[in-house]
Amino acid sequence: GQQLNQSPQSMFIQEGEDVSMNCTSSSIFNTWLWYKQDPGEGPVLLIALYKAGELTSNGRLTAQFGITRKDSFLNISASIPSDVGIYFCAGNTGFQKLVFGTGTRLLVSP
Amino acid sequence: EAQVTQNPRYLITVTGKKLTVTCSQNMNHEYMSWYRQDPGLGLRQIYYSMNVEVTDKGDVPEGYKVSRKEKRNFPLILESPSPNQTSLYFCASRTQGLTEQYFGPGTRLTVT
Repeated sequence: GQQLNQSPQSMFIQEGEDVSMNCTSSSIFNTWLWYKQDPGEGPVLLIALYKAGELTSNGRLTAQFGITRKDSFLNISASIPSDVGIYFCAGNTGFQKLVFGTGTRLLVSP
Repeated sequence: EAQVTQNPRYLITVTGKKLTVTCSQNMNHEYMSWYRQDPGLGLRQIYYSMNVEVTDKGDVPEGYKVSRKEKRNFPLILESPSPNQTSLYFCASRTQGLTEQYFGPGTRLTVT
C-alpha cells in the first residue's frame, strides 16, 4: 500500500524550541491531516487542511497544505514536555482511503 | 462523550486460538476501519466498511475477517492467529464524505 514520506523520523529537542516536520508524496492529495499519538493511546486529530496553500493553526501548532498538493508541513512553536509523542501526517486522494506517513517521534527535554 | 471504544485493550493468546476484538462508536459514523501499527511501518489498513453490510479489504487483509451488522459496531476477527499478527490494532470511524477520522485507544495483541 501507498505510504507518505515523513521526515524527520525522530527529533530530540530542548523545551522552548520550535519544531518542524513534513510529509511528501508522489501523488496529489485533496486533504491533509495531522495526528498526534501519545504513548499507549490512539492517534488524535490535530489539524485538517482542505485547500492547496492553506495555513491553519491550532494553538502552538501550525500546518500548511503545500501548493503542489504533494506535501504538507507541521510546525510546533515553543515546545513543552507534553508535546512528546509520535506525529503522523495523513492524506486523502479522494478515493475514500486515508494514507498515513510513517511518523515523526518527538522527544522534548525539560 | 463522542468516542471509539475497543476491547480488549491488551490480549495475549496462542497460535490458532480464534479471537475477536470489538470496536464500537457512538457518533453515528458510516465509515469504520481497522488498522495495525508496527514499528517502522506506520499505520496500515486491514479492512474498512462504508456502511452496514458493506466491507472491503484494505492493504493487509490476510488472516483477518470483519463484519458490520450494525452501524455502531465493527468487530475484527482472527480465525487462526499467528505470531506475525502480533501488533497494535486501532479501530477508527468517520462520517461518510468527510476525511477526519477518529481512532480508538488501541488493542495490543501478542500471539505466541
